[in-house]
Amino acid sequence: AQSVTQPDIHITVSEGASLELRCNYSYGATPYLFWYVQSPGQGLQLLLKYFSGDTLVQGIKGFEAEFKRSQSSFNLRKPSVHWSDAAEYFCAVGAYLRGSTLGRLYFGRGTQLTVWP
Amino acid sequence: ETGVTQSPTHLIKTRGQQVTLRCSSQSGHNTVSWYQQALGQGPQFIFQYYREEENGRGNFPPRFSGLQFPNYSSELNVNALELDDSALYLCASSGSKNTGELFFGEGSRLTVL
Repeated sequence: AQSVTQPDIHITVSEGASLELRCNYSYGATPYLFWYVQSPGQGLQLLLKYFSGDTLVQGIKGFEAEFKRSQSSFNLRKPSVHWSDAAEYFCAVGAYLRGSTLGRLYFGRGTQLTVWP
Repeated sequence: ETGVTQSPTHLIKTRGQQVTLRCSSQSGHNTVSWYQQALGQGPQFIFQYYREEENGRGNFPPRFSGLQFPNYSSELNVNALELDDSALYLCASSGSKNTGELFFGEGSRLTVL
């Protein structure tokens, strides 16, 4: 069965420090992997995605993620965190449905990021 | 701004009542998905509509139903509301396979008392 595990419920870092958010997935085929960010009272914004090719993916806001098939992981990283990065981060694995349209995402429970000034 | 709009943004209902949530998808997108996000949890897939037909359903009971209209906007209906239905309901639209991205609205916050 498809599932996503984000082992860290809450992470606190100082502004300017590096960040790594962990994500492990279980999926029976080639995974389509995503990281989304959600600010309070907002919907989900896509940070980056992996479909195929280079396993190091660059996203918006200076984020990157690395797909490691052998570890079933897709960890999110940022070299220097800004106070505005405080939000909740969700990892997701996607499946295509009939009609070749991406539809069903399986989300982890999220990691809440707090940034100290 | 994703171009996906949802209404209402907040609403309060009592147990046993019915609710309808609405979603206008991004222009040109023919697919709408609905997700339920309970407090402290990740979003859970309810169902998807593609070209006005249900195109996949998650583990939700039949009292969760939906519609998609010819202009690709969508409704989520929930009958016989239960306390556990209190959640943020997110709508997401998508179009071409090539982009591989879902565009989420800001959600409708439902509280069931």
